[in-house]
Order: sequence, then structure tokens, then C-alpha cells
Amino acid sequence: NAGVTQTPKFRILKIGQSMTLQCAQDMNHNYMYWYRQDPGMGLKLIYYSVGAGITDKGEVPNGYNVSRSTTEDFPLRLELAAPSQTSVYFCASSFPDRPGLFFGEGSRLTVL
Amino acid sequence: DAKTTQPPSMDCAEGRAANLPCNHSTISGNEYVYWYRQIHSQGPQYIIHGLKNNETNEMASLIITEDRKSSTLILPHATLRDTAVYYCIVRVRDNAGNMLTFGGGTRLMVKP
Repeated sequence: NAGVTQTPKFRILKIGQSMTLQCAQDMNHNYMYWYRQDPGMGLKLIYYSVGAGITDKGEVPNGYNVSRSTTEDFPLRLELAAPSQTSVYFCASSFPDRPGLFFGEGSRLTVL
Repeated sequence: DAKTTQPPSMDCAEGRAANLPCNHSTISGNEYVYWYRQIHSQGPQYIIHGLKNNETNEMASLIITEDRKSSTLILPHATLRDTAVYYCIVRVRDNAGNMLTFGGGTRLMVKP
């Protein structure tokens, strides 16, 4: 049972480049989330999804896009990368009616 | 969501109980108290949650004051592996599922 799997684990981007962070879960969770964590700070919610085909903005959505075509996958797209997007990105999933978010191991992104 | 206040850091001797406080004086009646921890750059891990009553599971105990304005997470016999940042979060249980906001947390250092 893999849980929440994120790829890549590390990536360096140049300013203006684009990329997609992949997230997959095999727990049949309805809800999925993307968070970012800057050094020494707590986590901030970027986007979340309550089911396939449904997404919504979190606290810091600017510069990102998401899609949810299947229950299992929730990719995060960065368009026109900026240094301010240097961060660790965590994907998480959960059932709506049970406590507990399950997090992936994170994707460390550096924009130079 | 109610705001929480936690001390930025705490130390605990290995084998002793670690008591981590959290103030949430503006908590409303339908808001739950959740605790998560994050071990060195890994994704946060759910520990426990509660509404009014004290709760215990295999990881920890949660003590909530009668007026619900504060709570304490207790790790009964702290080990070196419990060194982590501990987040106290207050949130309603609604259709947004587990959409939680993580603040700065308490950095617990367990020392030999």
C-alpha cells in the first residue's frame, strides 16, 4: 500500500519555466490537497479537490493550476515559475468524514 | 477558524512525558482541535483530535479544558523519534473535509 506518492522529489527550475508536480493516492480518498511549505514556516493550502472534476482554490493559489480527472491523481501545474515559488510542496488526501490527512513525502522545488 | 497560539519550542528529556500546550480562546462550539506533527521535512502526520472530551490513542493523549479555550497534547514517554514540530489546529468538521490551516507549531526537542 503506497499511500500518497509524489514525483519528482527534487527539481530545479529556471525562472519562466513550467512544470507539473504529480500526486497519486491509492486509498480511494475523495479529497485531495496541495500545500506548500516555505523554510521555517507552516503549511499553506494552494488548491484542494473534493472529487474527480471538482477543484477549488485554497489560501495561496496564484501561479498554480490543478486538475482532477480521476480519483487517484491530482497534479499541480506551475506556469512561469518564479523564485517566490521555491518551496517544498506536499500533496495530501483524506476521506471527507474521517479525521486525518495523509501526506506524501514532499517535492522540493527550487526556482533560480 | 479559530486562531491557535503555541510556544515556538520546547525541550523534553527522553522517557519523560512531553506536554505541549495550545491556546484557542476564540474556539467556537462546533470546532474540533486537531494535532499533527512533522518530523524533519517529512509530510505532517495526524496524531489525534477532539471536540470536548479528553481523548487517547496509541500515540498520545489530548486534554481539553472545560471551557475549551486551551488544550494539551501529552506524549506519555517521549523518545528521540518524537523530536518534531507539533501543530495544533482548530477547525469545524464540514463539507471541506480536512482542509486544515497549519501555523508555526511547537518545535519539540527530545534530549537523551
